[in-house]
Amino acid sequence: DADVTQTPRNRITKTGKRIMLECSQTKGHDRMYWYRQDPGLGLRLIYYSFDVKDINKGEISDGYSVSRQAQAKFSLSLESAIPNQTALYFCATRDTGANVLTFGAGSRLTVL
Amino acid sequence: TQLLEQSPQFLSIQEGENLTVYCNSSSVFSSLQWYRQEPGEGPVLLVTVVTGGEVKKLKRLTFQFGDARKDSSLHITAAQPGDTGLYLCAGEKNYKLTFGKGTLLTVNP
Repeated sequence: DADVTQTPRNRITKTGKRIMLECSQTKGHDRMYWYRQDPGLGLRLIYYSFDVKDINKGEISDGYSVSRQAQAKFSLSLESAIPNQTALYFCATRDTGANVLTFGAGSRLTVL
Repeated sequence: TQLLEQSPQFLSIQEGENLTVYCNSSSVFSSLQWYRQEPGEGPVLLVTVVTGGEVKKLKRLTFQFGDARKDSSLHITAAQPGDTGLYLCAGEKNYKLTFGKGTLLTVNP
């Protein structure tokens, strides 16, 4: 099993729908992150969490929310999806004191 | 926002050629990382450089951190088709990583 698992891997939805992307990890890391990747724009940080119930905004948090109810799980929600949220979304984990990110395989979201 | 500029954005070369990818910023970073990403996968860490002037070698890949810790380079010797992928640099400051936009490398057989 992968260290960082993202579900779903692919999702097509319509404008206005609520979408949740799930991330679970088996590495026991405290820190978890959600990034968005767009062609030509690189990886941009949406939200991050240093511990259960700890939530911090990244550089592009508008239109997104997250939940960290357990150490191993960090979910990303789009309350009302819009087409410019079409992107590849990555979850990543990081051990406290270390500076290495372990990424999931990504969730490709298309909003029509 | 600390901006990391990567160049070139795209690079297509023949097998056996050498290449260098650059990552530049006006900000000082406590460390700089290079990741490689293949289609359908998440980025995977290649190396972390911490000390200004540091050089690390990973087989045919040579990574250098600038003396002022604002820039870095990745040099690949005798590129192979298996080196094809998106190369991302990321600078760390205050426990946050800022990524460059990436260099998409294609090595043709």
